[in-house]
Amino acid sequence: DAKTTQPTSMDCAEGRAANLPCNHSTISGNEYVYWYRQIHSQGPQYIIHGLKNNETNEMASLIITEDRKSSTLILPHATLRDTAVYYCIVRVGRLGSQGNLIFGKGTKLSVKP
Amino acid sequence: AAGVIQSPRHLIKEKRETATLKCYPIPRHDTVYWYQQGPGQDPQFLISFYEKMQSDKGSIPDRFSAQQFSDYHSELNMSSLELGDSALYFCASSSRTRTRTSGQNEQFFGPGTRLTVL
Repeated sequence: DAKTTQPTSMDCAEGRAANLPCNHSTISGNEYVYWYRQIHSQGPQYIIHGLKNNETNEMASLIITEDRKSSTLILPHATLRDTAVYYCIVRVGRLGSQGNLIFGKGTKLSVKP
Repeated sequence: AAGVIQSPRHLIKEKRETATLKCYPIPRHDTVYWYQQGPGQDPQFLISFYEKMQSDKGSIPDRFSAQQFSDYHSELNMSSLELGDSALYFCASSSRTRTRTSGQNEQFFGPGTRLTVL
């Protein structure tokens, strides 16, 4: 699985958009980009994933560059409850794949009032 | 909606004792994963099971073993406990059937078991 690079920490004002970048320059054509987050000492929580198209769900949007070497997770209106460590994980998502998640260092997002 | 259940939530053991952690996956999920998260560390994959068979193996010590039962629940058995085994242990579950149809490998995590070895 490709290696990812994320900033160690970021701050965001409550109510503003939080944009979390991730570099994955060695990503392969069959690798998906997944985002999980972990609120302090809770189990990690799935947020969103994508292959090459931008994706949106009720939690966030995922913007993947055309060359797929980087992506940005967007939380459109951050709240204090979004304070967490956000993990960008790149792994093969072929149909039937059930592999484990490899967590890197992640970005600690602090949402401030 | 039903979530992943882990028991116990907290466990305190002495060095060289044994511990058993239990995980009950979301109904109709056929795959279970175990992760270990030490203090200030990121989660590390230990082992996974699909349909009661070991699927993947990560950095699981030889002192640890795990299995998945016919009702799909899983147990992580830890022997000769060491101080360094103190950590949060997360179980996650997913559905291989769902992955086959959508390509999505979403894992649902339980609340974790906090193991303290004294």
